[in-house]
Amino acid sequence: AQTVTQSQPEMSVQEAETVTLSCTYDTSESDYYLFWYKQPPSRQMILVIRQEAYKQQNATENRFSVNFQKAAKSFSLKISDSQLGDAAMYFCAFLGGSEKLVFGKGTKLTVNP
Amino acid sequence: EAGVAQSPRYKIIEKRQSVAFWCNPISGHATLYWYQQILGQGPKLLIQFQNNGVVDDSQLPKDRFSAERLKGVDSTLKIQPAKLEDSAVYLCASSLATTRTDTQYFGPGTRLTVL
Repeated sequence: AQTVTQSQPEMSVQEAETVTLSCTYDTSESDYYLFWYKQPPSRQMILVIRQEAYKQQNATENRFSVNFQKAAKSFSLKISDSQLGDAAMYFCAFLGGSEKLVFGKGTKLTVNP
Repeated sequence: EAGVAQSPRYKIIEKRQSVAFWCNPISGHATLYWYQQILGQGPKLLIQFQNNGVVDDSQLPKDRFSAERLKGVDSTLKIQPAKLEDSAVYLCASSLATTRTDTQYFGPGTRLTVL
């Protein structure tokens, strides 16, 4: 079974600075998808960014980008120019052949003004 | 476009009682998911519907949990009887499901506390 590991239970960053959240996963599959979801306090979980494993180019969405290292099974999220509204739980998720999203335990991000 | 709606937002019950949660997906979304999110963990899929048929319920504790999606739109998740370990946030999500990688849109969740 696939597993997703987020080794940082909590992270903090100063407003306008850059922060990187780590994620590693374990799979024997070659065709899969990776996601970062954001869950603000008491609000809906929303998709931040996604990466197809067959694409070598790292995905970017405005201030959010990923560093996808397929051989190392690593998928980190970089948030540039952090804003107060970025404060949330961030979940890394894997989608493989089972078509079932597997989530990590999450990283709580605090943004300090 | 309206998002995924869930009710109630909060529920407190005694153990061995029954409880039901309701979800209304985004209009036109064929696939509906129920997740359980225990405090300090990521969501875990309980059941997945494609229209009104069950695609995956391998992680649903069927001795106490049940779910249905009549007419392929709204869905209800029921727990009977509840245990202390069922305390969690229950998230509903939906997707267009034209491909397996369609984005899942989540509702606000129902926070269940079992005393």
